[in-house]
Amino acid sequence: DAKTTQPNSMESNEEEPVHLPCNHSTISGTDYIHWYRQLPSQGPEYVIHGLTSNVNNRMASLAIAEDRKSSTLILHRATLRDAAVYYCILDYQLIWGAGTKLIIKP
Amino acid sequence: EADIYQTPRYLVIGTGKKITLECSQTMGHDKMYWYQQDPGMELHLIHYSYGVNSTEKGDLSSESTVSRIRTEHFPLTLESARPSHTSQYLCASSELKRGIYGYTFGSGTRLTVV
Repeated sequence: DAKTTQPNSMESNEEEPVHLPCNHSTISGTDYIHWYRQLPSQGPEYVIHGLTSNVNNRMASLAIAEDRKSSTLILHRATLRDAAVYYCILDYQLIWGAGTKLIIKP
Repeated sequence: EADIYQTPRYLVIGTGKKITLECSQTMGHDKMYWYQQDPGMELHLIHYSYGVNSTEKGDLSSESTVSRIRTEHFPLTLESARPSHTSQYLCASSELKRGIYGYTFGSGTRLTVV
């Protein structure tokens, strides 16, 4: 079974921030949290990863709860090109869940 | 530029044929994986490898086999293709080290068995 749970889908308006949640209540103390996204007809691609502190890169931000049992991927200003399936996985996780399908409305 | 290569990109083949899907990576990653994904559906792990001469079956019985004779190469073989094998096959690789246990995926092979 997947070690993470995510909502099946979310909708957002273009140019607004998007917060994608992920629960990982069984996370161990040394597991990193990784986020990937999959555009239509492509393989998943790396977005961001973190351990305890919040992380920022050019694509997104990752906010990690203090108890590390959940995290949130933040897209600061969603565009139509951000429409994809977003996956949250932990270190060594082989079984991927269904991810969250992000729908961006123009 | 892709660091993991899958060929062919698309394949249409008749029932009963033997096919091999190729996957190669240039990153020196020890772990490699094959996933099967139908349109709009989840990724299903079919095979993985921790290194040369190491292969394991995943959660999906796909009637396929793999080999890992070289670190960079992880081909998937279907001995007798069936229409139920029609799907997208994604190859991936990863580092072993915690924290940079990031996956790199290929562009996939879209297989159609007629």
